[in-house]
Amino acid sequence: ILNVEQSPQSLHVQEGDSTNFTCSFPSSNFYALHWYRWETAKSPEALFVMTLNGDEKKKGRISATLNTKEGYSYLYIKGSQPEDSATYLCASKTSYDKVIFGPGTSLSVIP
Amino acid sequence: DVKVTQSSRYLVKRTGEKVFLECVQDMDHENMFWYRQDPGLGLRLIYFSYDVKMKEKGDIPEGYSVSREKKERFSLILESASTNQTSMYLCASSPGLAGGSSYNEQFFGPGTRLTVL
Repeated sequence: ILNVEQSPQSLHVQEGDSTNFTCSFPSSNFYALHWYRWETAKSPEALFVMTLNGDEKKKGRISATLNTKEGYSYLYIKGSQPEDSATYLCASKTSYDKVIFGPGTSLSVIP
Repeated sequence: DVKVTQSSRYLVKRTGEKVFLECVQDMDHENMFWYRQDPGLGLRLIYFSYDVKMKEKGDIPEGYSVSREKKERFSLILESASTNQTSMYLCASSPGLAGGSSYNEQFFGPGTRLTVL
C-alpha cells in the first residue's frame, strides 16, 4: 500500500492569519491529486483536482500547488476565517480507479 | 445539486448483529465506494464497485461484504458486527471512464457513525 502523508496533523490559527499545510505522496505512479474539505457534520467536498506538475489552482482565498516530481502538494489559506475550520484531506490517485487518502489536517480558526 | 445519501447518521449495534449500511446516489455514477475513517488514519477503502453486480475488495475487506443490485444503491454489510468495527463509514461515488474524466473527484455521503457494543 502506498502511503500519503499530511502535515501537520492539526493546526490552530487566529482569524486573519494565513496558513498552509502539506501533502506528501509517492511520485511514482502519479495520476492525479485531490484536495477535499470535510466540515464537521457534513460530507467531504472536493476543492481541487490537480493533474500536471507545476499546477496551481485557486478558489477564493484557498490555493494549491503541485510538484509531481518530488511528490508533494501545498494547500494555502489566505486570511483564515472561522468558516475555514475543517479537516483537509488530500488523496493521491495512482490510476483511474485507485485512490489513497492521507490522514488529514484538522484546522481550527479562532475568532 | 449532486447527492449521496446514507441511511443513518448514527447507529448503535450489539456484537454479533448483522448490520446493513445503505448508500444511494442520484448522479448516475458507475463507481461507488465504501470507506471507514478512524482517528489518525486516512479514509481506508473497504470495497468498491464499478458497475451493477460488480465488486472489488479494497484495502480492508475482512469482516465486510457488499451488494450492488441497482446502479444507484451500494450496500455495506457487516455479517457479524464486532467492536473493532466501531467507526465512521463513508460512502462515495464517481463517474466511470465513460461518464467523464478519469481524473474525477469522488462525491461523498455524510457518513454513518457506527458504534458496536
